[in-house]
Amino acid sequence: DGGITQSPKYLFRKEGQNVTLSCEQNLNHDAMYWYRQDPGQGLRLIYYSQIVNDFQKGDIAEGYSVSREKKESFPLTVTSAQKNPTAFYLCASSMSPDRRSEQYFGPGTRLTVT
Amino acid sequence: GQSLEQPSEVTAVEGAIVQINCTYQTSGFYGLSWYQQHDGGAPTFLSYNGLDGLEETGRFSSFLSRSDSYGYLLLQELQMKDSASYFCAVRGGYQKVTFGIGTKLQVIP
Repeated sequence: DGGITQSPKYLFRKEGQNVTLSCEQNLNHDAMYWYRQDPGQGLRLIYYSQIVNDFQKGDIAEGYSVSREKKESFPLTVTSAQKNPTAFYLCASSMSPDRRSEQYFGPGTRLTVT
Repeated sequence: GQSLEQPSEVTAVEGAIVQINCTYQTSGFYGLSWYQQHDGGAPTFLSYNGLDGLEETGRFSSFLSRSDSYGYLLLQELQMKDSASYFCAVRGGYQKVTFGIGTKLQVIP
């Protein structure tokens, strides 16, 4: 079955540590995205990538970094510079360059930093 | 920049019809989408409007008026399983999508 996988589902880290969230897709989609969702809030765009080896900052990129070395993979690193890293992180992908492109979401990773 | 407004909460009775509105301000516009998210789950795509008018998909319909920067999601024959959050999302630039804060729909018996 095609889809997006994110691992782990729950992640706990100590303040001051960097942590990398995994996102893999086998849908052969060109575009991939990372969103952050806080309780009762919408999805805020962190980074997005239209093609391999290219990515763009979203609305809240500070304190985060990404890489896109393979089409299937778009890992997100939450650095110690991110002031409030505890959140639900969602990865998504979409076919490009179809402007209609619906986004397919992974199950999410719930990160707790203490 | 881009901003979207939608009501934070809506309550409706099972079997009824409910409309969730979305207004937006964007520097560019390629289309308005709607997503459903159950508590603790991932958003799933419901519908897309690139042009003015109504799109119908089963019990769900979505409408867009680009001149008014306005759209809505219409849910008919509400079922208990429709209780979820509904997000409108604007594609304002190539592959860049901005989501609203979501409308939490509660369906009551």
